[in-house]
Amino acid sequence: ETGVTQTPRHLVMGMTNKKSLKCEQHLGHNAMYWYKQSAKKPLELMFVYNFKEQTENNSVPSRFSPECPNSSHLFLHLHTLQPEDSALYLCASSQDSVYSGNTIYFGEGSWLTVV
Amino acid sequence: KNQVEQSPQSLIILEGKNCTLQCNYTVSPFSNLRWYKQDTGRGPVSLTIMTFSENTKSNGRYTATLDADTKQSSLHITASQLSDSASYICVVRPPNSNSGYALNFGKGTSLLVTP
Repeated sequence: ETGVTQTPRHLVMGMTNKKSLKCEQHLGHNAMYWYKQSAKKPLELMFVYNFKEQTENNSVPSRFSPECPNSSHLFLHLHTLQPEDSALYLCASSQDSVYSGNTIYFGEGSWLTVV
Repeated sequence: KNQVEQSPQSLIILEGKNCTLQCNYTVSPFSNLRWYKQDTGRGPVSLTIMTFSENTKSNGRYTATLDADTKQSSLHITASQLSDSASYICVVRPPNSNSGYALNFGKGTSLLVTP
């Protein structure tokens, strides 16, 4: 248990569906992240929120829409995805971005399959 | 080209044996270098963290070493156990980056420990 909880753990959706991934952290951290992990590729940073404000959008297609209502919750809204978007989506949090020694704590991930 | 390259891509060893995983990086100097362990279907968990000036860091049966001259880090696993079967990811945080969240991830080494 890392203190970062993701739901659902598994999701299968059609290309015309709308779904959302949810992340909650119980660590009192100020920064939250969405990462995409595809097979045989390094983790890719998608979005970063610091104190509820989006501070980074790593050229992510608009069919992925993040939402951070407060510093402990993060959502990833999914709409009209493509099969190549099938991957493990990892939520993470850290105390903040400033200190080089900050550990990033990852959730268990949400396995997304787009059919 | 990825700034963090890991080898081997995959490795199979017998339970009780030792093994060494390699990480070659181009980011130099850096703020810190971490090794993460990622069990199948789970999120990555931090094993060790080293700053640019450190040579070695241990966490139980895991020992990470750093050679700044050759820009290599190794993760040595001693007396392997079945539970060591996982993917091991090398992550380098560059210094003074424009984004406080910039991390360079390797693709990981997949380790399988067999009875």
